[in-house]
Amino acid sequence: AQSVAQPEDQVNVAEGNPLTVKCTYSVSGNPYLFWYVQYPNRGLQFLLKYITGDNLVKGSYGFEAEFNKSQTSFHLKKPSALVSDSALYFCAVRDWETGANNLFFGTGTRLTVIP
Amino acid sequence: EAQVTQNPRYLITVTGKKLTVTCSQNMNHEYMSWYRQDPGLGLRQIYYSMNVEVTDKGDVPEGYKVSRKEKRNFPLILESPSPNQTSLYFCASSSRQATYNEQFFGPGTRLTVL
Repeated sequence: AQSVAQPEDQVNVAEGNPLTVKCTYSVSGNPYLFWYVQYPNRGLQFLLKYITGDNLVKGSYGFEAEFNKSQTSFHLKKPSALVSDSALYFCAVRDWETGANNLFFGTGTRLTVIP
Repeated sequence: EAQVTQNPRYLITVTGKKLTVTCSQNMNHEYMSWYRQDPGLGLRQIYYSMNVEVTDKGDVPEGYKVSRKEKRNFPLILESPSPNQTSLYFCASSSRQATYNEQFFGPGTRLTVL
């Protein structure tokens, strides 16, 4: 069975400080990993993905994520947080068990950047 | 503009009154999916469709129906809504051409069942 864990419901960080949003996964096939962001009253927007290759993946809005196979983690990072980064962040993994394009999502982490 | 649209965006209804939430995408995507989002539970998949006339259950299909008669449309049907179906619903689509299935999401439909 596959699963995605986002251990922190809420992360607070001061504007200008680095931010990390944590994600660990368990998957039966190759780990195809994704981060999505949800701004208030909006749908989810794709941020970045890891399929293969470099462990450090760069995405939209200055975000990056580090894939760590030994720790089965895919933490989202940004060197300097902006107030506009405040949103709900979801980690997801491709669901290999159904053989479809399905993604299995974590429960989400609410990021608040304090001015 | 490439997009996934949902209607209505907000809906308040009463128990037992059948309703349909529409979803349409203009990207010629084969794959479409419905999710519900509840606090503390994240997104849970209701139904998905790999292509026209091909649908399958997700993790929480009870109380819902779907159909895929056309490639662009994937309506979600609640035959007899109940209060526990009060939630935020998202439709999503992706191309099956890509092996890394990035999904595109609609803006969401907030449903309240009284």
